[in-house]
Amino acid sequence: GQQVMQIPQYQHVQEGEDFTTYCNSSTTLSNIQWYKQRPGGHPVFLIQLVKSGEVKKQKRLTFQFGEAKKNSSLHITATQTTDVGTYFCAALNYGGSQGNLIFGKGTKLSVKP
Amino acid sequence: DAGITQSPRYKITETGRQVTLMCHQTWSHSYMFWYRQDLGHGLRLIYYSAAADITDKGEVPDGYVVSRSKTENFPLTLESATRSQTSVYFCASSGTSRDPAFFGQGTRLTVV
Repeated sequence: GQQVMQIPQYQHVQEGEDFTTYCNSSTTLSNIQWYKQRPGGHPVFLIQLVKSGEVKKQKRLTFQFGEAKKNSSLHITATQTTDVGTYFCAALNYGGSQGNLIFGKGTKLSVKP
Repeated sequence: DAGITQSPRYKITETGRQVTLMCHQTWSHSYMFWYRQDLGHGLRLIYYSAAADITDKGEVPDGYVVSRSKTENFPLTLESATRSQTSVYFCASSGTSRDPAFFGQGTRLTVV
């Protein structure tokens, strides 16, 4: 079945530094979604990218979808302690009789004040 | 996300016992999912359902059973719990397969 590989697995940054996580697939993706999970919490939807080369911004967060629709990235500018958590990418998988959402393993971000 | 609720939030059970985790959503979403989350493995799909009475296996279905007699409910049953099923279980729902998924608060299950 389809897989999405996410790197790095962990990232430790000083507050104010930038952070980027990458999501890669060997197959073309129809869309990519990003989620954030705070420690002890549940995944919360952040954004969805659909178009080739799409770039979307949410305040200090910038999301990109590659031209070939095989990779995506999430970049956080000037991290804050509130950014702590695990960031997941997810893609639609057509395995099985219906579509379902397959998640990358996530990037755990810690921010040192 | 009060629209999707899981119960119980915490459960301790013994090896070999049957246990059912409940999931209820109020949005009338067609799709519902069960994931388990373990360190180093991220979120792995157990089962999912595209509509009432339609279910399909995910990545790790062995040892689990699901049913979807009503659109709003999607219970997950461990027929004979094993220690390897100790995990945090998340239920999620979405309107279509392409829509964002909304997650419940999770159930932390410990099998002793």
